[in-house]
Amino acid sequence: RKEVEQDPGPFNVPEGATVAFNCTYSNSASQSFFWYRQDCRKEPKLLMSVYSSGNEDGRFTAQLNRASQYISLLIRDSKLSDSATYLCVVILRDDKIIFGKGTRLHILP
Amino acid sequence: DVKVTQSSRYLVKRTGEKVFLECVQDMDHENMFWYRQDPGLGLRLIYFSYDVKMKEKGDIPEGYSVSREKKERFSLILESASTNQTSMYLCASLPRGRGNQPQHFGDGTRLSIL
Repeated sequence: RKEVEQDPGPFNVPEGATVAFNCTYSNSASQSFFWYRQDCRKEPKLLMSVYSSGNEDGRFTAQLNRASQYISLLIRDSKLSDSATYLCVVILRDDKIIFGKGTRLHILP
Repeated sequence: DVKVTQSSRYLVKRTGEKVFLECVQDMDHENMFWYRQDPGLGLRLIYFSYDVKMKEKGDIPEGYSVSREKKERFSLILESASTNQTSMYLCASLPRGRGNQPQHFGDGTRLSIL
């Protein structure tokens, strides 16, 4: 089983819809979790950290499920500008950083 | 805001050339990283450094070396460039005690080896 797995997509979603995707991780000794956003031909940029209690930033909600070992990202009222690749990042207790390969999201007008 | 600056956005070199990619960060971060990103393979760690003059191999160090003579600067060196090193190269930095901190990335360098 891969250390961090994401559905590569693409997810084609109409503008205004809600979309959610998950990222599963295999190592129970994982301490920190992040979602990054990467636009085509650009560098990854931090979208949000993921906390055990779940956290929300505007239209974006991130959740962590330690029992099932996955994190999720929910985007409400999606905009055309949300089209990007979303990378899941897991940091283990030994500080090793593991990236998922990303989920591509296309918001359709 | 953290600023990580890579010396070139686009670079074209020839097979066999020695290639230097430079990365500078302005936040006094101890940890610096070099990744390459290829379609379908995601981000792969080449080398990282946790302090000046310290370096550790990542997952794919073959064909690369690094230099960290100053805290703010981390250089990636392709000793003899080959076509399979054509890729997007990303530098990142992170403060010490990084367990709960996100990395900050530079803009990336698109390197083509002809």
